[in-house]
Amino acid sequence: AQKVTQAQTEISVVEKEDVTLDCVYETRDTTYYLFWYKQPPSGELVFLIRRNSFDEQNEISGRYSWNFQKSTSSFNFTITASQVVDSAVYFCALSEAGAGANSKLTFGKGITLSVRP
Amino acid sequence: KAGVTQTPRYLIKTRGQQVTLSCSPISGHRSVSWYQQTPGQGLQFLFEYFSETQRNKGNFPGRFSGRQFSNSRSEMNVSTLELGDSALYLCASSLTTSPGENIQYFGAGTRLSVL
Repeated sequence: AQKVTQAQTEISVVEKEDVTLDCVYETRDTTYYLFWYKQPPSGELVFLIRRNSFDEQNEISGRYSWNFQKSTSSFNFTITASQVVDSAVYFCALSEAGAGANSKLTFGKGITLSVRP
Repeated sequence: KAGVTQTPRYLIKTRGQQVTLSCSPISGHRSVSWYQQTPGQGLQFLFEYFSETQRNKGNFPGRFSGRQFSNSRSEMNVSTLELGDSALYLCASSLTTSPGENIQYFGAGTRLSVL
């Protein structure tokens, strides 16, 4: 069975601080996909990034960066120089990709990030 | 390009009633998935439809059902509502059902309150 654990529940930082959101996953599949979504107060889940299990190359996109480590089953997300607009709930998710796989996403419980001015 | 549209945004129902929620996917997307979000259980997968066929179903009672039309629009229905059905119901669309080929894009959700 798949499982995604986001041990942090709430994080509060002051604007311009860097913040890292942790994600640990469990799966028996050798092929899988990992995602990060952001949910602002409006409710819509906004897609941020997808990584497949064969691509451990870390990525930087503007103020966002992701650190994927298969050895520790972690897929962490860092926001550099945080801004008030980054305040939202952030979800890590996992989907299978092996034979018979489908689109079902298994989500973590989410991390509420508050960025104070 | 329009995103995923869910209607209505808010609903208030009483126990025992039934409710139908609607989802219009992104143009060209053929797969629609539904998720329930509650403070206690978080985001849970309900079901997925592709080409008018249910492809996968989560661990929910039979009171939860859905369908997909030929234009890929989808509806979900909850019968005999219970207080615990109060939640944000999110719809997501993607090009196909293959996780290797698609990203799920979500709508803003329908917030259902059962009194």
